[in-house]
Order: sequence, then C-alpha cells, then structure tokens
Amino acid sequence: DIQLTQSPSSLSASVGDRVSITCRASQTINNFLNWYQQTPGKAPKLLIYAASNLQSGVPSRFSGSGSGTDFTLTITSLQPEDFATYYCQQNYNNPQVTFGQGTRLEMK
Amino acid sequence: EVQLVESGGGLVQPGRSLTLSCAGSGFIFDDYAMHWVRQRPGKGLEWVSGITWNSGTIEYADSVKGRFTISRDNAKNSLYLQMNSLRGEDTALYFCVKDTLMDVWGHGTTVTVSS
Repeated sequence: DIQLTQSPSSLSASVGDRVSITCRASQTINNFLNWYQQTPGKAPKLLIYAASNLQSGVPSRFSGSGSGTDFTLTITSLQPEDFATYYCQQNYNNPQVTFGQGTRLEMK
Repeated sequence: EVQLVESGGGLVQPGRSLTLSCAGSGFIFDDYAMHWVRQRPGKGLEWVSGITWNSGTIEYADSVKGRFTISRDNAKNSLYLQMNSLRGEDTALYFCVKDTLMDVWGHGTTVTVSS
C-alpha cells in the first residue's frame, strides 16, 4: 500500500505569512495527489487536485506543486480563515486511497 | 445543489452490526466512484472503502477488510456501508464522499461502539 508522510505535523504562523507543507509518497504516484483543508466541526474541503490544479472557488493564495513522490502545498499571505488542518491524499490506485496524517496550522 | 446525506449511525455494542446509508443528489450518481472516509475523535482522516461507478472494483482499508462491505444502488442514488463485528476502534464520524477527487463530502454520521 502507498503511504503518505506529511511534514511538519504542526506549524505556527501569523496572518500575512507564507507557509509550505510537504507530502512524500512511499512510491511514485505521478500527479495523483490532492490537498484538503478541514476546520473544526466541518467536513474537509478540496483545495488542489492533480498536484497543482486549483479547485473552483478556492483563493489563488493556495497553490500546489510536485510530481512523482514529493509534493508541496503553499499558502501565500495567510488569512485568519486559513488556520486549519491540511491533508494530502493520493488516488493513484483508484478506488484505493490514502491520506497523509495531517498538518495543523496554528496562529502564532 | 450537489449534496450527500449520511444516516444510520448510532450507539452499538462491540461485536454487533450497523449499516450506514448515503443519499446523493444534484449530480449524476452513477457517473462517479464513491467512498467512505472516517475520522476517529481528535484524529486524522482515514479512508475506509471505495467503489467504482458500476461496482466493478471495490477496495477496503486493511483495518476493516473482512468486516465491512460497501455497496451502491445507482437506481436509488445511494451508497451503503454494512459494518459487522464492530470494535471500539471503529468509533468515528463516517463521511460519504463523492468521486476519488473527493470534491463533495457529506456532514457525516457518528458511530459509537461501546458496551
């Protein structure tokens, strides 16, 4: 099974900062990598699909990059509503799916 | 409006069974794979099971293989999860999710396994 490892597990930042979260796959997954945001008490929300494509309605301060085994989610100019938990997900062997363990982004 | 509504959660004793249902609306249900994802209290997302549009391919997480069964009825725009031999570690919020892109999520239904 394909494993995903996110780093860091938690991150403290301030409004206006630029932050990056990485996700490493245990084997190559081409670009079958998606990113999600979850705020407390809510269902996750798709941000980025196929490694670098912005989901409709998601602000352009979110971006994704990478291919193969190494991927990055970047948020430029953090806004108050961005403090949440972020997950990567791979769907290389659809419908078998794996999530990363999550990265908690907290306000400094 | 694209919507997924889960039902069927509740309190159940260890070893017993429970069936979750998910009703989809606002999209062509049989165009998409569907999934169940769970989240234990205070923990991360865990994929549970997925089924292709025609039920031709079904996959399970190792943690539920042999105990849970996913199925769908495209005529009723519905997804199901039959959960047998439930354990304490199955206690979680269970989400129904559209497509392997997971672009639409239900609000979830809570399953609590306890004596």
